[in-house]
Amino acid sequence: EIVLTQSPGTLSLSPGERATLSCRASQSVSSNYLAWYQQKPGQAPRFLIYGASTRATGIPDRFSGSGSGTDFTLTISRLEPEDFALYYCQQYGTSPRLTFGGGTKVEIK
Amino acid sequence: QLQLQESGPGLVKPSETLSLSCTVSGGSISSGSYFWGWIRQPPGKGLEWIGSIYLSGSTYYNPSLKSRVTISVDTSKDQFSLKLSSVTAADTAVYYCVRHPGALDIWGQGTMVTVSS
Repeated sequence: EIVLTQSPGTLSLSPGERATLSCRASQSVSSNYLAWYQQKPGQAPRFLIYGASTRATGIPDRFSGSGSGTDFTLTISRLEPEDFALYYCQQYGTSPRLTFGGGTKVEIK
Repeated sequence: QLQLQESGPGLVKPSETLSLSCTVSGGSISSGSYFWGWIRQPPGKGLEWIGSIYLSGSTYYNPSLKSRVTISVDTSKDQFSLKLSSVTAADTAVYYCVRHPGALDIWGQGTMVTVSS
């Protein structure tokens, strides 16, 4: 099983700042099949990024994904008030068997 | 636009079987090459993949839950279902149904299931 470790656990930033979230895999993720999701309280996760770097339909271009192999990054270029939320990475290189990271909370400083 | 909706009891007694259904609307469960799966999230915790099914009927389960999980599909109703047996308080969670071509591109709104006597 591929274990995904997200860091930091919490990121305290101000609106307008840049957020950089890390996701590290215990072994190489096949074909960079790595996705990112955003979750707000009481809501289902929202699909943001797939294939490590491709934005899902309707996702603003301030969200970008990068990385390969075992190290992946989600960057939010300029935080908007609605971006303060929990973020999860997920690998599907072993699809349909899936694993998630533990999450990073982006909170208002 | 394809939508997923979970349904089922919100309260299940310990040792009993949790049963949930997911109804697909705005499209057919039979169109396209997708897996249909279940994800859960205990209160205040992260996401856990429970298992998935392909239209052929092939099923794939999280090894940690495999002995207790059954996922099935009914294409005539555009539904797929989850059964989790011998539940305990540790199975209390929000349960989501999902579509995944790979990444989880469509999610249901989730349904809270509490295991308690």
